[in-house]
Amino acid sequence: DSGVTQTPKHLITATGQRVTLRCSPRSGDLSVYWYQQSLDQGLQFLIQYYNGEERAKGNILERFSAQQFPDLHSELNLSSLELGDSALYFCASSVDSIQETQYFGPGTRLLVL
Amino acid sequence: ELKVEQNPLFLSMQEGKNYTIYCNYSTTSDRLYWYRQDPGKSLESLFVLLSNGAVKQEGRLMASLDTKARLSTLHITAAVHDLSATYFCAVAPHLNTGTASKLTFGTGTRLQVTL
Repeated sequence: DSGVTQTPKHLITATGQRVTLRCSPRSGDLSVYWYQQSLDQGLQFLIQYYNGEERAKGNILERFSAQQFPDLHSELNLSSLELGDSALYFCASSVDSIQETQYFGPGTRLLVL
Repeated sequence: ELKVEQNPLFLSMQEGKNYTIYCNYSTTSDRLYWYRQDPGKSLESLFVLLSNGAVKQEGRLMASLDTKARLSTLHITAAVHDLSATYFCAVAPHLNTGTASKLTFGTGTRLQVTL
């Protein structure tokens, strides 16, 4: 158990819908990262927040957005969902933005039908 | 754009044998990470390599980093069935690029250790 929690574990929804994935970092970690893992794209970095501010952006679609709240938990919002958005979404956390390692949560498996 | 290549993509090996997984990356970096993922599970951190020539060992796994060759290796010694998993390397850009925390992952190496 890495100490990073994610909810929900599984999510099934329909195309065009909007969902919110939630992540709580390890105690003391200020940075939160979001990754998408799919069979065709592999593991891709989406976005990073550090102490409430966006720090780095990766291959994140405009339909996706994220934020980190004052209590350091983070949410990833996915809207206008498409079939291709079906994937495993991981949250990771680390102590600071120039980290030694990122600790990954259990993931949220999203299925868009 | 940083690219990370791993090979092989799939490795079937017998218990007791040794083998090496290779991770090549395309641009300057001084930080490389190895992760393990069991089917349907999350990623578990194995090693963090922070400098040229760094070598770390844990049990039957040993990782090394050659920043000049832009190459990391994960060596498996006397494989056992419990090591069956997918192994990923991930590379962080150089600290002076402004995107220092963005990890780029390799494609993963699926390791299957047979009895």
